[in-house]
Amino acid sequence: DAKTTQPPSMDCAEGRAANLPCNHSTISGNEYVYWYRQIHSQGPQYIIHGLKNNETNEMASLIITEDRKSSTLILPHATLRDTAVYYCIVNSYDKVIFGPGTSLSVIP
Amino acid sequence: ETGVTQTPRHLVMGMTNKKSLKCEQHLGHNAMYWYKQSAKKPLELMFVYNFKEQTENNSVPSRFSPECPNSSHLFLHLHTLQPEDSALYLCASSQGERGGSSQYFGPGTRLLVL
Repeated sequence: DAKTTQPPSMDCAEGRAANLPCNHSTISGNEYVYWYRQIHSQGPQYIIHGLKNNETNEMASLIITEDRKSSTLILPHATLRDTAVYYCIVNSYDKVIFGPGTSLSVIP
Repeated sequence: ETGVTQTPRHLVMGMTNKKSLKCEQHLGHNAMYWYKQSAKKPLELMFVYNFKEQTENNSVPSRFSPECPNSSHLFLHLHTLQPEDSALYLCASSQGERGGSSQYFGPGTRLLVL
């Protein structure tokens, strides 16, 4: 079973920041938080991951709470091409268990 | 382009056919994976290979037979499939390290079993 809980869907206006929450209250000390996204009918795409500290790359920022029980993926300026299903995953080894994710719709 | 390629991209087969799906990664990774994604369902992990050795078989029926001849290639041999096996089959690879191991996915093979 997936160890994370995400809202099933969200909307975001084009050009605004999209903040996607994820709860992982049972995360253990050696488990990383990963985010992937899947655009319709394509393979999932790795976005970002982190252990304790906040992370930023060219795609997004990842904010992890101090107790590590939740995190937020931030797309700073959402575009129509960011419309996808976003998956938050925790794992300590190579096994990646996908939940249903959050379907993000970016609206013009 | 993720560095993981899959062929064919689409496949239609009858229940008595035998076919194979191919995956190739050009990333120098040591671990490879097969996932199944049925319509409107989350991805389901099927098999994991680390350094060509199978380390995970997620209770997959024997009509699906994986093969990993080397760390760059992964096959999924299909025989006597059922219509409910129609799905998107995704291959992925990763460095295989504990913990921080990002997976890179191919575009998938969309399979229809008639």
